[in-house]
Amino acid sequence: KAGVTQTPRYLIKTRGQQVTLSCSPISGHRSVSWYQQTPGQGLQFLFEYFSETQRNKGNFPGRFSGRQFSNSRSEMNVSTLELGDSALYLCASSLEAASSYEQYFGPGTRLTVT
Amino acid sequence: AQTVTQSQPEMSVQEAETVTLSCTYDTSESDYYLFWYKQPPSRQMILVIRQEAYKQQNATENRFSVNFQKAAKSFSLKISDSQLGDAAMYFCAYRSVDSNYQLIWGAGTKLIIKP
Repeated sequence: KAGVTQTPRYLIKTRGQQVTLSCSPISGHRSVSWYQQTPGQGLQFLFEYFSETQRNKGNFPGRFSGRQFSNSRSEMNVSTLELGDSALYLCASSLEAASSYEQYFGPGTRLTVT
Repeated sequence: AQTVTQSQPEMSVQEAETVTLSCTYDTSESDYYLFWYKQPPSRQMILVIRQEAYKQQNATENRFSVNFQKAAKSFSLKISDSQLGDAAMYFCAYRSVDSNYQLIWGAGTKLIIKP
């Protein structure tokens, strides 16, 4: 069974631009979560989607948004990019949206904002 | 709010030796899950081991085992017979059993394996 895939793997953008990252969960998984990883702040939860609905959202500004499609694939969008948005963005999928179900992570998208 | 603390930014161990990584957490909940994840230089986050708080027995996965002390809110990871492939960042994470399923992470410990 294929693992979680994220595209693109690397991205360079300029301040003020917007970016869309994609995540394809493991087949059959219906929950997708997004995390931001930076050297300064560590790993921080962005949001979680289940059955096309956002169930939880972390403490991030409204410039960060996401969505989930009927096939469980998810996208996250960051508008008006800032230098501080440079990070590794990790996507994780799980079978169901319940804490007993393990999350499986993708390889991440490295976003650099210049 | 729950917090997770890993007090060791870096640890090193000789190949084939045993090493213990520390993790403490703070929560007012009685039921929850704890995890250790490994992130090698390839960046892929890999689940190493998980522990359900309601289980008193410590989880074990091959060379990896935990020492879960619920009253002390401590969750350490022991790696036996360390191998070069164990070199990575190790993250301790907490997950509530209520409706908020996000993982709350520690800052990580970089494990160096000396050949």
